[in-house]
Amino acid sequence: DAGVIQSPRHEVTEMGQEVTLRCKPISGHDYLFWYRQTMMRGLELLIYFNNNVPIDDSGMPEDRFSAKMPNASFSTLKIQPSEPRDSAVYFCASSNGQGAGKNIQYFGAGTRLSVL
Amino acid sequence: SQELEQSPQSLIVQEGKNLTINCTSSKTLYGLYWYKQKYGEGLIFLMMLQKGGEEKSHEKITAKLDEKKQQSSLHITASQPSHAGIYLCGADPLRRAGSYQLTFGKGTKLSVIP
Repeated sequence: DAGVIQSPRHEVTEMGQEVTLRCKPISGHDYLFWYRQTMMRGLELLIYFNNNVPIDDSGMPEDRFSAKMPNASFSTLKIQPSEPRDSAVYFCASSNGQGAGKNIQYFGAGTRLSVL
Repeated sequence: SQELEQSPQSLIVQEGKNLTINCTSSKTLYGLYWYKQKYGEGLIFLMMLQKGGEEKSHEKITAKLDEKKQQSSLHITASQPSHAGIYLCGADPLRRAGSYQLTFGKGTKLSVIP
């Protein structure tokens, strides 16, 4: 399996622009998670989905952030408008909600976002 | 909410030395996950501990879970440069049916000097 695939790996944009991050989970996984990692706050859960349905979005910082999962193999995290404080590494992870290893999350390589 | 505190924040060791990283929870632990992250990369799953007193090993890395102390430790024997990276612990903050969230510590940065 190719693992969790995120794109782009790096994104540099100007303040006010829209940013869209993409994620393809591991095939067969029914949970998908979006995280943000910064030096100050560490790894924070933003939102997670189960069977394409958002379950908990309490970690989404503001209305500028939105996430969708139109099907089992694709999810997006959108920031509109972007601000310099959104600069961080954004990770996507997926897990299989069944079996002995059901809570093991597998992470993508991340998208490093810089908002100028 | 559950918080995980890792110690030390950073560690520099000589190759061949043993080391221990700790992860302490503010609440009862119901499962503890250890991950490793290399710079510019995602988190790689190392081990999962689910029961008090449980101990698991993989190559030269051993993890233990002490439920009473609400703590887990990660021990590396005879460290190698390949062990360098950031080690993060994660735990399920809710432990309820259908909950699959993880909250993470801020990580311990390990450097191994050849």
